[in-house]
Amino acid sequence: AAGVIQSPRHLIKEKRETATLKCYPIPRHDTVYWYQQGPGQDPQFLISFYEKMQSDKGSIPDRFSAQQFSDYHSELNMSSLELGDSALYFCASSPRRGGFTEAFFGQGTRLTVV
Amino acid sequence: GESVGLHLPTLSVQEGDNSIINCAYSNSASDYFIWYKQESGKGPQFIIDIRSNMDKRQGQRVTVLLNKTVKHLSLQIAATQPGDSAVYFCAEKDNFGNEKLTFGTGTRLTIIP
Repeated sequence: AAGVIQSPRHLIKEKRETATLKCYPIPRHDTVYWYQQGPGQDPQFLISFYEKMQSDKGSIPDRFSAQQFSDYHSELNMSSLELGDSALYFCASSPRRGGFTEAFFGQGTRLTVV
Repeated sequence: GESVGLHLPTLSVQEGDNSIINCAYSNSASDYFIWYKQESGKGPQFIIDIRSNMDKRQGQRVTVLLNKTVKHLSLQIAATQPGDSAVYFCAEKDNFGNEKLTFGTGTRLTIIP
């Protein structure tokens, strides 16, 4: 079965650079979530989209932005990168069926800022 | 703010024994709960879920118990296997207009051969 695809899997950037993470949800899933997970930490919700509109916002820094495109894929844009941005970034998708449905996670993008 | 947390950060269990992982949540509006398993370097993987109108749900070798009175959730894994070694997270969702899942602190389960 098709899963959530994230690219790239690994990314190394220098401080103050920009990064773009991509997420391709499971086909027919119209809701996408972004999470950030630091070493030994639980996943922290950043932002979500439903039908290309932002549906919820969490602890996403102002330096980050995201959007969902017409084909439902999503991109997380990160600017002025800081060392503390080093983390695993997960994308998840779900079909919107009244809310009682789990989110399916991708394998994540490991971002290292040096 | 509202949070979901786990009582124990680590748990070691002998292979073949049963394990119980606990979770406390504080958002009384939460009406949907999920247990995820996360192996090293991988994304969280769905194990089992439960709605707030239930107090027990069983899957293959796993059982989730929900006690809304004390806002407590547990995951029972029967006859543990080496492949069960991972970090387990509980997550909750408040379906009154919210879509996000809020994760609690994970518990690292280690199965001892």
